[in-house]
Amino acid sequence: SQQGEEDPQALSIQEGENATMNCSYKTSINNLQWYRQNSGRGLVHLILIRSNEREKHSGRLRVTLDTSKKSSSLLITASRAADTASYFCATDPTGGYQKVTFGTGTKLQVIP
Amino acid sequence: EADIYQTPRYLVIGTGKKITLECSQTMGHDKMYWYQQDPGMELHLIHYSYGVNSTEKGDLSSESTVSRIRTEHFPLTLESARPSHTSQYLCASSDGFRGSEAFFGQGTRLTVV
Repeated sequence: SQQGEEDPQALSIQEGENATMNCSYKTSINNLQWYRQNSGRGLVHLILIRSNEREKHSGRLRVTLDTSKKSSSLLITASRAADTASYFCATDPTGGYQKVTFGTGTKLQVIP
Repeated sequence: EADIYQTPRYLVIGTGKKITLECSQTMGHDKMYWYQQDPGMELHLIHYSYGVNSTEKGDLSSESTVSRIRTEHFPLTLESARPSHTSQYLCASSDGFRGSEAFFGQGTRLTVV
């Protein structure tokens, strides 16, 4: 089963609004990453937050991590039509040779 | 831009054929992964490797096999393709020791008719 689950599954907003996506996971992690996927393409890495960090910014992206609740959120501010894509969280679990596993994804539609 | 390449980009093939999906990376990454993804759906890990001669099955059972003879190359093979194998296959790699980001190829969209 997938390590992470995102919610909502789908989100539709107007251009200029903020979009917030949440990710919950099950085990202890080294880091959590957010990726973006445009339709039919490979995934592109957006931001990585380590387990000892609580918040991280990159341009219009803001990521928070709460290890006590095993959850993370991705906020996209001032959304643009070009932000329309699916967004996935991925966790890198602790403990030796663990593998990065992906959540179920949130489909974001930004309406011009 | 990520230095990880998948070929072919699209493949339509008949039932029963043997196929190999290629994946190569030039970043010297130890970890490599194969994911299967149906359109608009989540990614399922089907194979991964932590280095040369290391391969493991992922969370989703798959009839495909992989090999890792060279660090940069991680091909996936289906001995006898079936319509149920129709999907998108994504290859990724990451630096195994720093828990860093994964880099993805553009994917191979496979259709078995």
